[in-house]
Amino acid sequence: EVQLVQSGGGLVQPGGSLRLSCAASGFTFSDYWMHWVRQSPGKGLVWVSRINTDGSGTSYADSVKGRFTISRDNAKNTLYLQMNSLRDEDTAVYYCGSIYDYWGQGVLVTVSS
Amino acid sequence: QAGLTQPPSVSKGLRQTATLTCTGNSNNVGNQGAGWLQQHQGHPPKVLSYRNNNRPSGISERFSASRSGNTASLTITGLQPEDEADYYCSAWDSSLNSVVFGGGTKLTVL
Repeated sequence: EVQLVQSGGGLVQPGGSLRLSCAASGFTFSDYWMHWVRQSPGKGLVWVSRINTDGSGTSYADSVKGRFTISRDNAKNTLYLQMNSLRDEDTAVYYCGSIYDYWGQGVLVTVSS
Repeated sequence: QAGLTQPPSVSKGLRQTATLTCTGNSNNVGNQGAGWLQQHQGHPPKVLSYRNNNRPSGISERFSASRSGNTASLTITGLQPEDEADYYCSAWDSSLNSVVFGGGTKLTVL
């Protein structure tokens, strides 16, 4: 059974940091580009970042460039999103996934003082 | 980043057919094809189709996707109450080097 199990969400103050994790099982994780997508309350899906299969290539949405870092550990079948300098507008449910195949369950990140 | 264009809402009757559209450009839908996602309130997205009309195992044949030029479509036949959800299209944009999503269409089954 394919699973993407996410962890690391929570409440953080503006300017703070958080690291999200996404543990994959049931498929060959190292064969897939992986992405982070977020959804603010009551809004649509917004792409955040992607990483290629071996981690050598990444790209980011303009809104998070320079603040967020995507990475992966293929030995651990895990995807990460390091989020620094968090802002109120980063409050959202964050999903990991391959977009066209598998999605995680989502974790809520709330940025508030 | 620019997104794909979807109608905000579509309403159809039970057992009718709904066609949802998604318009992009030659850098995304027209070049790479589109994928479709279904999302029920409070749940993560579920893949209905990818790269135009490839349907994952377990997805009903009532869902079919197609593309004509820069516009992708998702057709749902024999509408059921459980089809009431938000539907999103997505595509890789080779110019932006990013994934782009549509704003989503809320499908209401009357």
